[in-house]
Amino acid sequence: EAQVTQNPRYLITVTGKKLTVTCSQNMNHEYMSWYRQDPGLGLRQIYYSMNVEVTDKGDVPEGYKVSRKEKRNFPLILESPSPNQTSLYFCASSLLTGMAGGYTFGSGTRLTVV
Amino acid sequence: GENVEQHPSTLSVQEGDSAVIKCTYSDSASNYFPWYKQELGKGPQLIIDIRSNVGEKKDQRIAVTLNKTAKHFSLHITETQPEDSAVYFCAAPRAGNMLTFGGGTRLMVKP
Repeated sequence: EAQVTQNPRYLITVTGKKLTVTCSQNMNHEYMSWYRQDPGLGLRQIYYSMNVEVTDKGDVPEGYKVSRKEKRNFPLILESPSPNQTSLYFCASSLLTGMAGGYTFGSGTRLTVV
Repeated sequence: GENVEQHPSTLSVQEGDSAVIKCTYSDSASNYFPWYKQELGKGPQLIIDIRSNVGEKKDQRIAVTLNKTAKHFSLHITETQPEDSAVYFCAAPRAGNMLTFGGGTRLMVKP
């Protein structure tokens, strides 16, 4: 089944403790992206990647890092999480050209930083 | 960059009635407009999209209309059912392969 898999689904952590949210897709998509969803603010892009070893900042990159060492994986790293990073996070992927088929989203990771 | 505004933020309709959600965009060069449906506890899922060379597209009970001159597009759901209850997002493209999303509309269909 074609899908984007995120882990974990739920995570509660303490301020300053480094964490990684994993994202993997099995559709051979070139493009991958991370979004955060907050009430009233919709989906805001954190980082995106056009292909392996190519990453760039989205609208709200502060406090986050990403890497794209393999085509299928795009982990999101929070080096020193803070409470304002409490949010619902989504990974998405798509074919690069023409946005054919649009984005495929993962099921989300609900992160709480206390 | 692209700016997408979506209205209303919440919409409550009676089962069987129609629902309309509207979005405006700022970049006149935008040429692709998808709509996503997010059910509780799930990620957004593409339900319909339209490209700028057509004015309307239908898929069973859902349709999307596009007015390029006014720079707005709308999602129409007819004969609404309880399973249509969800959060709906519109989006428009910007540089590269990125999408800018609207703020979302929570649709509630009352039985």
